[in-house]
Amino acid sequence: KAGVTQTPRYLIKTRGQQVTLSCSPISGHRSVSWYQQTPGQGLQFLFEYFSETQRNKGNFPGRFSGRQFSNSRSEMNVSTLELGDSALYLCASLRGGSTDTQYFGPGTRLTVL
Amino acid sequence: KQEVTQIPAALSVPEGENLVLNCSFTDSAIYNLQWFRQDPGKGLTSLLLIQSSQREQTSGRLNASLDKSSGRSTLYIAASQPGDSATYLCAVSRETSGSRLTFGEGTQLTVNP
Repeated sequence: KAGVTQTPRYLIKTRGQQVTLSCSPISGHRSVSWYQQTPGQGLQFLFEYFSETQRNKGNFPGRFSGRQFSNSRSEMNVSTLELGDSALYLCASLRGGSTDTQYFGPGTRLTVL
Repeated sequence: KQEVTQIPAALSVPEGENLVLNCSFTDSAIYNLQWFRQDPGKGLTSLLLIQSSQREQTSGRLNASLDKSSGRSTLYIAASQPGDSATYLCAVSRETSGSRLTFGEGTQLTVNP
């Protein structure tokens, strides 16, 4: 069974640009969550999508947005990039129940110059 | 607001030693607690998931316990090996936040040959 895949694995952007990250969950999983990991703030929850609907949202500005497609694949978009957006972005996949084990992808390393 | 604390922040032990990592959380209204392992620059690997109604879970050399009323969990690693070197993270999901995980800062473990 294939794991969670994230593309691209590495990105370098400049301030003001926008970026789109992709996450494909484990087959049969309907929920995708996104997290930002930085040395200073640790792992912070961005949002969760379940069956194409945002089910939960963290405390991030509106520049961070996401969506989920009918095949459960999810994309995350960050507009008007800032230096502080440099981070490892991780997505997690679970079947759908809140008590399920969450499986994480390898992450996308975003560097903003 | 749920806060998760992990002690110690870093730990260095000789190979073969048994060790305990600690995790505490401020709000006992949790769905479950999950322990993860993260290798440098990589995603998270799920180690153990404990539901709020459970007291412990075991997998191989790993044993995790949960005391929900006191807001504590421990991860016990038996007969440590150099391959166990990684950062260990605990995370909780709250009853009111579904599958959203709140993470601790992690314990960086080094097992010396």
